[in-house]
Amino acid sequence: DTGVSQDPRHKITKRGQNVTFRCDPISEHNRLYWYRQTLGQGPEFLTYFQNEAQLEKSRLLSDRFSAERPKGSFSTLEIQRTEQGDSAMYLCASRRGQGNGYTFGSGTRLTVV
Amino acid sequence: GIQVEQSPPDLILQEGANSTLRCNFSDSVNNLQWFHQNPWGQLINLFYIPSGTKQNGRLSATTVATERYSLLYISSSQTTDSGVYFCAVAGANSKLTFGKGITLSVRP
Repeated sequence: DTGVSQDPRHKITKRGQNVTFRCDPISEHNRLYWYRQTLGQGPEFLTYFQNEAQLEKSRLLSDRFSAERPKGSFSTLEIQRTEQGDSAMYLCASRRGQGNGYTFGSGTRLTVV
Repeated sequence: GIQVEQSPPDLILQEGANSTLRCNFSDSVNNLQWFHQNPWGQLINLFYIPSGTKQNGRLSATTVATERYSLLYISSSQTTDSGVYFCAVAGANSKLTFGKGITLSVRP
């Protein structure tokens, strides 16, 4: 159990550019979640996968955001045409299933300049 | 959705003091976790505690699900306990909803 890994740890990008983040969950965890956290707030739910199926998306996830989990293992979160309001910490979590807690990764801190 | 309220919003302690952090939630839950967010932003799971009482060293937690609250106790606080403490809950839809957090500062 190596924990939940996220890459990169930090990303600075210019407004209008596309960015992609990666999350590697704990290997036996079939559920994977993406959250976003802005300064001074608690994390907010974005989307989640059970195996490769994306089961729910928050209204926070605009059309510029897309997430995939192609083989039910790692996941990617892409933001197209980044805006300054996208600057935040993007957190990934995984868990085994109902009745088990979430384990979070270290996050990817995005700064849009 | 489920509402989560944490109190107090900020807490300043002298090293060695004890403290109680509270989490109230608005509906029945299947999952409740307490996290400590370190200065680098990582959420460290402290307790998975949808009901009952657990202890881990100087930390303990109690959730009274029927009354919709949970308490996190920190005893003999240390400077390394400083940071933000989050309570997060999930109902039947399994999505964790976080409170706004409690910022704890422990002074030497």
